[in-house]
Amino acid sequence: KNEVEQSPQNLTAQEGEFITINCSYSVGISALHWLQQHPGGGIVSLFMLSSGKKKHGRLIATINIQEKHSSLHITASHPRDSAVYICAVKPYSGGGADGLTFGKGTHLIIQP
Amino acid sequence: EAGVVQSPRYKIIEKKQPVAFWCNPISGHNTLYWYRQNLGQGPELLIRYENEEAVDDSQLPKDRFSAERLKGVDSTLKIQPAELGDSAVYLCASSRLPGQNYGYTFGSGTRLTVV
Repeated sequence: KNEVEQSPQNLTAQEGEFITINCSYSVGISALHWLQQHPGGGIVSLFMLSSGKKKHGRLIATINIQEKHSSLHITASHPRDSAVYICAVKPYSGGGADGLTFGKGTHLIIQP
Repeated sequence: EAGVVQSPRYKIIEKKQPVAFWCNPISGHNTLYWYRQNLGQGPELLIRYENEEAVDDSQLPKDRFSAERLKGVDSTLKIQPAELGDSAVYLCASSRLPGQNYGYTFGSGTRLTVV
């Protein structure tokens, strides 16, 4: 079982809709990242969370450490928001730092 | 500040041929990561460097993959010989301190197609 599960895998919505992407994880973590990947492009870091909520423009990210769950919200969605959104966690490790563990991503398409 | 630079952006090779990818991390970032991302999947860590030392290479297929980070700056990832299943995007990322929870910066990746 993947340690990081995202839902939905694919999402198509109309411009202006409120978008929610969910991420659940099964291990203890010290941080959770939301990343954006455009087709053919690299990955851009949107948020890093360890608790609570963060907002940047039309993007809002929340995390519930007790429930091991995070959500990424997009308000007033726009076609330029079309991308793959990836949830990644940094697991606790006893012997030193590891890389991130990634979800499979949510492919978002916003239609005009 | 320049981001993480990777080259080439795309590479198409025949199976059994060698291939190499290059990564230049952000200046001052001591930690460098190589990830492999298969189509429709999230990236998977191949190797992590702290300066010039490979501190986590447990996921690197050592029979055909090798990596180096001379002088703790640029890094190269090599595959020899390449197999069809190696087709993927190879991503490089860097961060300032070991396991730092922020400041991960990814390159644009190298899309490898093995035919």
